[in-house]
Amino acid sequence: GAGVSQSPSNKVTEKGKDVELRCDPISGHTALYWYRQSLGQGLEFLIYFQGNSAPDKSGLPSDRFSAERTGGSVSTLTIQRTQQEDSAVYLCASSPIFSGNTIYFGEGSWLTVV
Amino acid sequence: AQSVAQPEDQVNVAEGNPLTVKCTYSVSGNPYLFWYVQYPNRGLQFLLKYITGDNLVKGSYGFEAEFNKSQTSFHLKKPSALVSDSALYFCAAPSGGSYIPTFGRGTSLIVHP
Repeated sequence: GAGVSQSPSNKVTEKGKDVELRCDPISGHTALYWYRQSLGQGLEFLIYFQGNSAPDKSGLPSDRFSAERTGGSVSTLTIQRTQQEDSAVYLCASSPIFSGNTIYFGEGSWLTVV
Repeated sequence: AQSVAQPEDQVNVAEGNPLTVKCTYSVSGNPYLFWYVQYPNRGLQFLLKYITGDNLVKGSYGFEAEFNKSQTSFHLKKPSALVSDSALYFCAAPSGGSYIPTFGRGTSLIVHP
């Protein structure tokens, strides 16, 4: 597609439920990133995928968080047993490889845990 | 390791006046530096980047940034601010030897009519 697409755009879930957030990157981009932005906070890195390499999961805050990327394209971020502190905007981005390249963000998935 | 810092949480400026949003970096090697803007309830949008070459980089919406190696700074500037420039601005750079951008904490720019 023309840009990074994320769904759902908004999600309200009950504490303890599992949620899945989807990201469809820009066609041809091999790198995919997930970030979290809590209210009034900066961007917190979660996970990075590059091609067929093992993902960099160093930013995942707990084992309740996981992500996969199927076929080198679409990615799903899963949060199990959601907690209220998981409420945030989850931003996905993609880019061609090489650190000099611009990364392009989706509009984000706004998650509210009640 | 490479990181960026934004020393100001908020910048206030009157419409029509020049604006500056500050960013400093710490680098091992040649820096790649970026500015992004986030409008309310939106994702981040790319404004401009410095890879190499001219120290003055021009970007979207009339913004520019000056790379200053001696001061390790990459401040974002615009000659004449608009109310519509009010947004959250982030400086970013790849961290260490990875391709993962790390972001500054963001600076809220408020342009008053």
